Formats: sequence, structure tokens, C-alpha cells
Amino acid sequence: AQSVAQPEDQVNVAEGNPLTVKCTYSVSGNPYLFWYVQYPNRGLQFLLKYITGDNLVKGSYGFEAEFNKSQTSFHLKKPSALVSDSALYFCAVRDNSNDMRFGAGTRLTVKP
Amino acid sequence: DTEVTQTPKHLVMGMTNKKSLKCEQHMGHRAMYWYKQKAKKPPELMFVYSYEKLSINESVPSRFSPECPNSSLLNLHLHALQPEDSALYLCASSADSLLNQPQHFGDGTRLSIL
Repeated sequence: AQSVAQPEDQVNVAEGNPLTVKCTYSVSGNPYLFWYVQYPNRGLQFLLKYITGDNLVKGSYGFEAEFNKSQTSFHLKKPSALVSDSALYFCAVRDNSNDMRFGAGTRLTVKP
Repeated sequence: DTEVTQTPKHLVMGMTNKKSLKCEQHMGHRAMYWYKQKAKKPPELMFVYSYEKLSINESVPSRFSPECPNSSLLNLHLHALQPEDSALYLCASSADSLLNQPQHFGDGTRLSIL
């Protein structure tokens, strides 16, 4: 069965600084990896996905993620954080079982 | 604005009530999902419909009953719920149930059981 771990409950960065939200995964076959963001009182919004191909994936709102097969990681990154990026971020994985499994979530706070 | 619409946004009901949650999408998606999300927790998959047929039921209690009347609509019928069922219920859709398709979420129904 697949699983995904987000080792940090909380990430704090200053506005304008780069940000990284970490994710590691475990699957039995090829991983299909996703990042979602959730703002208060809202549903999840899709940011980006890795299926195959280039290890660096670019997504919405200036976010990107790097797939690292040897480290089984899929960290979310942004070169310059905005206060409006403050939200709850979920990494998710699917494998051949077809279920979408979410990590526990990381709360990102960007301070002015 | 989200392209998946859920109604109502909030629902308070007693343990003996019967109510329904509704979800609608007009993106032509053929897979639809119900998730339950407790505060500060990730969403937990409840049901998956693919081409209007129930394909996954994650051992959800029978007091939750899903229905997919057509490819655009997904309902969740509620009966005799327990206080621990209070949560945010999220609907999602994807183009199909293939593994590489992202899911698009509604803003959820916040359910409180008295």
C-alpha cells in the first residue's frame, strides 16, 4: 500500500525568501505524486503533479516540485514566498490501487 | 471560484435526522469522490464513482449512502449520524479515474451533528 509523509507540521518563512515543504513517499509501483493547497474554509486546490518525465515539475502560482527517486522525495518549492502563500499544503500519492493518499499536511506561514 | 459546487455549505442536524449533501460539476468529468476531513487532518477517501458506478467504498458505515444520479451529480445521503461524524465533507471530480488525473475539489459542506 502506498503512503506519504510530510515530516514538518509547520514551516515558517519570511516574505521574499525561498520556501520548501517536504514530502517523502512509499509505493509498490510507479508513483503518481501531487501537491494540493488548502486555504481556510475552502476545498483543496491542485498545484502540480509528477507522473513521468522531467524531475522538476512546474505548477500554479510559481510553485515547483522536484522528484527524487533515490530519496523517494517530492519536495515543494518556491523561489520567493508571498504572505498570500500562507495555507495548509498536502502531498498526495496514488499507485496501482487507485486510492489517493494524502500526507498529514504542513502549515506554511509566510511573515511580512 | 471552484468548478465543483457543493450544497449546503453548512449543515446542522440531529442524530435522528435524514439529510443529503449535494455535489455538482460541469467539467465533463467521469469520476467523482467523497472525502471526509476532520479539523487539521488530511482528507480521508470515502467513496469513488467512475462512470456513474460505485467503484470504491472505503468501509464506510451504512449511515452514509452515496448516489450518483448522472455524470454531473453526486449525492451523499445521511441518516442516524453520530457526533463523531461531524466534519468537513469534500466532493471532488477528475476527468476519469486514471491515476495521472488530478482531482478538483469543492469547498465542502461543514456538517455538525448535535
